[in-house]
Parts: sequence; C-alpha cells; structure tokens
Amino acid sequence: AQKVTQAQTEISVVEKEDVTLDCVYETRDTTYYLFWYKQPPSGELVFLIRRNSFDEQNEISGRYSWNFQKSTSSFNFTITASQVVDSAVYFCALTHNNAGNMLTFGGGTRLMVKP
Amino acid sequence: NAGVMQNPRHLVRRRGQEARLRCSPMKGHSHVYWYRQLPEEGLKFMVYLQKENIIDESGMPKERFSAEFPKEGPSILRIQQVVRGDSAAYFCASSPSYSYEQYFGPGTRLTVT
Repeated sequence: AQKVTQAQTEISVVEKEDVTLDCVYETRDTTYYLFWYKQPPSGELVFLIRRNSFDEQNEISGRYSWNFQKSTSSFNFTITASQVVDSAVYFCALTHNNAGNMLTFGGGTRLMVKP
Repeated sequence: NAGVMQNPRHLVRRRGQEARLRCSPMKGHSHVYWYRQLPEEGLKFMVYLQKENIIDESGMPKERFSAEFPKEGPSILRIQQVVRGDSAAYFCASSPSYSYEQYFGPGTRLTVT
C-alpha cells in the first residue's frame, strides 16, 4: 500500500516570504513517481512537477524548487518570494509501476499569501 | 492542442436522480482516470480506463457507480440514484500510453439537493 502525508493543512504567509510545503510518502516499490499539483481557487488542477525515484537531483523552476530526499521519503516544495497568486491548495501525489498509473494524493496544503 | 475537457462543469441533481459526467481526453491520450474530491479533502482514485476496457476500478463504490470509455466518444461516469453524500468535485485525467503524467480536466462539481 502507498500513502502520502501532507502534515500542514494550512499555511499563511505574507507576500515575499519563502514557504516550504512538506510531503512525506510511503511505498514498498523501488520505482515510483512523485508529483506536485496546484489547485487555485478556480478549482482546476495544475500539474507542476514529476520526479522519478531514481533522480534525486533537486529541481528549480523560477520561484519554485523541489527537494527530493529518498532517505527520509520526502519530496518538499519551496516557493521563494511568495506572491498572492500563489494562494492555492497544493497536492503531493505518488504512483508506481504496478499501480496502473493510479495517483495517490496527500490531503493537500492550503497556502494563503497575504499582501 | 485542447486540454482535457469535462462537462458539465456544474451539475445539480435531486436525490434519486441519475448523474452523467463526461470526459474528453487530450488528443492522442488513450488512458482515462476518474478521481473524486469530497469537500475539504484530497482527491481519491475511482477508476482507470482504456478504450473499451476497465483496467482498475478498485476505487469505485460497489453500487450505483459505473464508468465507460467507448471506442468513440467521451468517457462517462454514471451515478445512479444519487444521494447527498455524492456531492463532490469529480475530476477526469488523461495520459498517453506508457506515460505517468496525468493531465486533469477542470472538474465537474456535482451538487445533490
């Protein structure tokens, strides 16, 4: 069985602050994929990143960065210099080769960025 | 290239009626997934389909729910005799063969009154 835990249900920051969203996962598989999705107030799901279990390099995309630590089963997401438009619910998700692509989602973290 | 399309975006049904949710995958995508998001919760997998085949329906409630993805046309998620607890956002996602990137549609928000 696989599981994704996002312990932070809600985070509130002031614009321009950096913020890190935590994601811890459990899986017995050696090959798996991790994702982050953003759900803005409008409700759609926006794909942010996919990372496979063999690639532990951190990734940076503009103000977004991801820290994958296999040793601690974590895949944390940092937003640098947050903006009001970053306000959304962020979901971490996991799938593996034998799951038929089924995504297991964490409960989500609601990020509120105040001006 | 149009994204995943879902319709209707909002659907209101009275208890006991049927709800039909449609999903048109991205062009070239032959794998479709349905997820349900209950209020204030994360998304839960329901069913995974390929054209004319149900691959995994382990997340589907045993009764009243069914899904199909015919050779032609959109994928349909059908909920018979809806109850208040079915009120949720239903998301469809699609992916091309042998890929693990799922692209989500805008969702259908079902309200049962």
